[in-house]
Amino acid sequence: DAKTTQPPSMDCAEGRAANLPCNHSTISGNEYVYWYRQIHSQGPQYIIHGLKNNETNEMASLIITEDRKSSTLILPHATLRDTAVYYCIVRVAENSGGGADGLTFGKGTHLIIQP
Amino acid sequence: DAGITQSPRHKVTETGTPVTLRCHQTENHRYMYWYRQDPGHGLRLIHYSYGVKDTDKGEVSDGYSVSRSKTEDFLLTLESATSSQTSVYFCAISDLRGGVGFFGPGTRLTVL
Repeated sequence: DAKTTQPPSMDCAEGRAANLPCNHSTISGNEYVYWYRQIHSQGPQYIIHGLKNNETNEMASLIITEDRKSSTLILPHATLRDTAVYYCIVRVAENSGGGADGLTFGKGTHLIIQP
Repeated sequence: DAGITQSPRHKVTETGTPVTLRCHQTENHRYMYWYRQDPGHGLRLIHYSYGVKDTDKGEVSDGYSVSRSKTEDFLLTLESATSSQTSVYFCAISDLRGGVGFFGPGTRLTVL
C-alpha cells in the first residue's frame, strides 16, 4: 500500500470548514483513499473513501486531485465533537485480489476544534 | 453503529498468565481483525480472519494466537502475557476484503 503523509496537528474554529490534507504521491492506479477518525479512547470510525472522483456523504467530502497524488478531507461545519485524530489510508480496491489484509494506520492528524 | 462488542473492556493481569480477549459481531461479516494501539506506534494489525477457521498473521503476530470457530466470534489469546503486551486492543469487522471496516470499543490490557 502507498505511504501517506499528513500534518501532525491542525486547529480549526468551531462552525468553520476543516480541511485536512493528505499526500500520497506514490499511489497506484488501483488504490483507494480512505479516511478514518479516532475520537479519544474510542475505536476508529470510517468516514469516507474514493478512487478518483470527489465524494460526499453525510459526514464529510473528499477531494482528490486530478493526478491523485494528494487529497483533502473536508468537514463542512466543524463542531467540538469533531476533535479527533484523522487518518488517511491508501490501499487496494475493495475485494480485489491484491494487497495485504487489514489497514495500515500512520500517525494521522490531530484536529482540534476551538470554541 | 455496527454490532461489534469486545470483552472484557478492561483487564489487569500478571506476567506469564494466559489471557483471552473476545470479539463478538452480530453483522455476519466475513472478515475480522485484531489490532493493538500503543503510543508512538498507532494501530498495528496482529491477526485477521477471512472465514471460519481461516486466519492469518498480521504485522505484529508474535506472542499471539487467534481462533474463529463461529462467524460471530474471533478470539485473541496471549499464551503467556508479557509487559510488552500492555496495550489497547481493537477488533474490527468488514464484509468485504478492503478498507471499509467497523471497529469495536477496545479492550485495555495491563500486564504487570
